[in-house]
Amino acid sequence: DTGVSQNPRHKITKRGQNVTFRCDPISEHNRLYWYRQTLGQGPEFLTYFQNEAQLEKSRLLSDRFSAERPKGSFSTLEIQRTEQGDSAMYLCASSLGDGPTEKLFFGSGTQLSVL
Amino acid sequence: GDSVTQMEGPVTLSEEAFLTINCTYTATGYPSLFWYVQYPGEGLQLLLKATKADDKGSNKGFEATYRKETTSFHLEKGSVQVSDSAVYFCALSIYGGSQGNLIFGKGTKLSVKP
Repeated sequence: DTGVSQNPRHKITKRGQNVTFRCDPISEHNRLYWYRQTLGQGPEFLTYFQNEAQLEKSRLLSDRFSAERPKGSFSTLEIQRTEQGDSAMYLCASSLGDGPTEKLFFGSGTQLSVL
Repeated sequence: GDSVTQMEGPVTLSEEAFLTINCTYTATGYPSLFWYVQYPGEGLQLLLKATKADDKGSNKGFEATYRKETTSFHLEKGSVQVSDSAVYFCALSIYGGSQGNLIFGKGTKLSVKP
């Protein structure tokens, strides 16, 4: 168990550019989540996958955001035409189990700064 | 809508002091309640949880009781240590969907001085 891995740890980009983050979940975890956390706030749910299927998306996830999880393994989160308001920590979590037994394991996040 | 409100920090305590971090929630249905902890430089970790009214979650000396009548889930520890310094998040999940679709509070930063 090597934990949830996120890359890169930090990303600085200019407004209008596209960025992509990667999350490698714990092996065999079938669920994968993306959250966004801004300074002084708690994490906010963005979307989740069960295996390769994207089952739920928050209304926070605008059309500029897209997430994929090909083959139910790693996941990518892409933000197109970044805006300064996209600056945040993007967190990934994975889990195994269902209902009350489900337990999330979080990665350390990717810090995005949009200049 | 569903929400979580927790006491604002930062909270500064001396080692061996008693800790309470208040958390109240608003939810339709019957949520599960959680406390997550984020140590400096690390990812969020589940500290404890309770899935129904009157359940008590406990871990590492921390406790919280799911109080439906007061819609609260306050975190307590009888004697804090320097190693407990972290940011603590209260969260809820509406069961029926994924338990991982969590609604978090803003977090409370705890600093414990030797």
